[in-house]
Amino acid sequence: SAVISQKPSRDICQRGTSLTIQCQVDSQVTMMFWYRQQPGQSLTLIATANQGSEATYESGFVIDKFPISRPNLTFSTLTVSNMSPEDSSIYLCSARAGNTEAFFGQGTRLTVV
Amino acid sequence: AQRVTQPEKLLSVFKGAPVELKCNYSYSGSPELFWYVQYSRQRLQLLLRHISRESIKGFTADLNKGETSFHLKKPFAQEEDSAMYYCARASGSRLTFGEGTQLTVNP
Repeated sequence: SAVISQKPSRDICQRGTSLTIQCQVDSQVTMMFWYRQQPGQSLTLIATANQGSEATYESGFVIDKFPISRPNLTFSTLTVSNMSPEDSSIYLCSARAGNTEAFFGQGTRLTVV
Repeated sequence: AQRVTQPEKLLSVFKGAPVELKCNYSYSGSPELFWYVQYSRQRLQLLLRHISRESIKGFTADLNKGETSFHLKKPFAQEEDSAMYYCARASGSRLTFGEGTQLTVNP
């Protein structure tokens, strides 16, 4: 199993600013992902964080808005850039080793005012 | 695109009653399907996956390729089963989630 720590757990930010969310896994995993869960909705995959290379983004998400880093096998960051109230959401980090189950962080609840 | 559909956003049953949470997926080859659960104030966690064919906390889910369904069932619901349940499908290592069903088990 893997334990995922995310921080911050919540934040309230001014529009136009940026927030970087950190994700630390306690074991080496092959895949790391970032999801968004908007109020009352399901999880939507933002991107796959690739170690040492650019993240792979899903349709509707772009690097300029959601830059992602993954410098090693156990750590990744997601930045929400130039925030607007529409970015208010829960952001979740997930990790998977091969075809094992996916593990999730506790989420970061972001409110943009 | 892979799609996972959970037609019921809310489901309410009484303790001891059977419960079935529905999940349908878009057909494409041999799917790899999961049920995830999120209890109040806890993180999302795996409940079961179809390839393991096991029963977890009394829940089972059978893959029906003919109906492209993977419904989650429990014969006797307990109050502690109240949670948000997500059906998910793997595409490579990526997961696509259904909309989720909020299950409430009333005493």
